[in-house]
Amino acid sequence: DAGITQSPRHKVTETGTPVTLRCHQTENHRYMYWYRQDPGHGLRLIHYSYGVKDTDKGEVSDGYSVSRSKTEDFLLTLESATSSQTSVYFCAISDRAYEQYFGPGTRLTVT
Amino acid sequence: AQSVTQLDSHVSVSEGTPVLLRCNYSSSYSPSLFWYVQHPNKGLQLLLKYTSAATLVKGINGFEAEFKKSETSFHLTKPSAHMSDAAEYFCVVSDRRDDKIIFGKGTRLHILP
Repeated sequence: DAGITQSPRHKVTETGTPVTLRCHQTENHRYMYWYRQDPGHGLRLIHYSYGVKDTDKGEVSDGYSVSRSKTEDFLLTLESATSSQTSVYFCAISDRAYEQYFGPGTRLTVT
Repeated sequence: AQSVTQLDSHVSVSEGTPVLLRCNYSSSYSPSLFWYVQHPNKGLQLLLKYTSAATLVKGINGFEAEFKKSETSFHLTKPSAHMSDAAEYFCVVSDRRDDKIIFGKGTRLHILP
């Protein structure tokens, strides 16, 4: 398996609180992605990064921000969590925007 | 614009019988195509990929897929299903011009004993 980890793996938080999810890779891949997975929607791209400090929005970016200060770390922040952000979040890495390697996922519940 | 359609949200087959998961795509350029598998409570794992080499692509666990440009299809097949194949499968298209990656909505494969 590609060296990609996510933390935390599970989190329960209350509406209105900030939440940060971390993705860490040891592969030195250029591209990193955050997706959310919800029943009936497949995977939807939230944000992605194509290099340190280089990020761009995906199709469902509202309510989320990201940062990448090092090649190996890509942080996803929910500034003020809402119940609609209850989901499973996956990080992925790629050395080109072709085949991706996925992390194990973070299950986030917003109550 | 790219798009990908997985034609079945659920497929059920008996153990030992063939598997066919259908995927159609739309791309205005030469696409790269992928199939990923996701077992329950796991991340996605790459099954196979097509990147303009041989049109018949072999992947892990006995799966293969054929790129048919005339039909804009990339269907996933396996000759004989195993219980461990029960999972969700995602077809993905990538356009090398703009580096966008589009996921299908997934097909859940059920294996009947």
